[in-house]
Amino acid sequence: VLTQTPLSLPVTPGEPASISCRSSQSLLNPDDGKTSLDWYLQRPGQSPQLLIYLVSYRASGVPDRFSGSGSETDFTLKISRVEAEDVGVYYCMQRVEFPSLTFGQGTRLEIK
Amino acid sequence: QLQLVQSGAEVRRPGASVMVSCKASGYTFKHHGISWVRQAPGLGLEWMGWIRPDNGNTKYALSFQGRVSMTRDTSRSMAYMELRSLRSDDTAVYFCARVAYTGAVDPWGQGTLVIVSS
Repeated sequence: VLTQTPLSLPVTPGEPASISCRSSQSLLNPDDGKTSLDWYLQRPGQSPQLLIYLVSYRASGVPDRFSGSGSETDFTLKISRVEAEDVGVYYCMQRVEFPSLTFGQGTRLEIK
Repeated sequence: QLQLVQSGAEVRRPGASVMVSCKASGYTFKHHGISWVRQAPGLGLEWMGWIRPDNGNTKYALSFQGRVSMTRDTSRSMAYMELRSLRSDDTAVYFCARVAYTGAVDPWGQGTLVIVSS
């Protein structure tokens, strides 16, 4: 189970934002040392898009204001300076038991 | 350009079946698994299952076993998801997504709305 907090996040443009994702089990794969936690953004009316994979690697084209961190069971997505285009629902996703995927409940980011 | 294009919206009666297609382009179809995820109105993301295009192996989420089938046509770079015995709570947008070499799912199809209503 993945638990995201907060579920709703109003942010003033230019201010930072942080979303937490906690797993009920370790997401570290002892066989390869990789931690299977990704972050996705679903903008209104769109499909989810990959932001961060393997905890901290930004996907192609993702602005460097997005960063991911964490280990084993506790993870964080940070946006250094929120912009209007960052509005949407953010999901963390774990895939430690490949190919099964489990998503967090989602965090809705809105602009104040 | 790497993309997945899905079939259009469907309306079905309860008890019927629906098949959603997903056409891949911009990469070698056989080299990447395809996951299917659904999203009920206003709700979050739910994984349904996965297919490995090179050999057709599948794995389904427990909640869908017995009702879902995932297939592929490698000659057409197409993946298919069939859901049977539809209920009103199967009303959702259904997404296909490619499993990248990193294991992340990227990109996603545009989604297919399936409405189940009498």
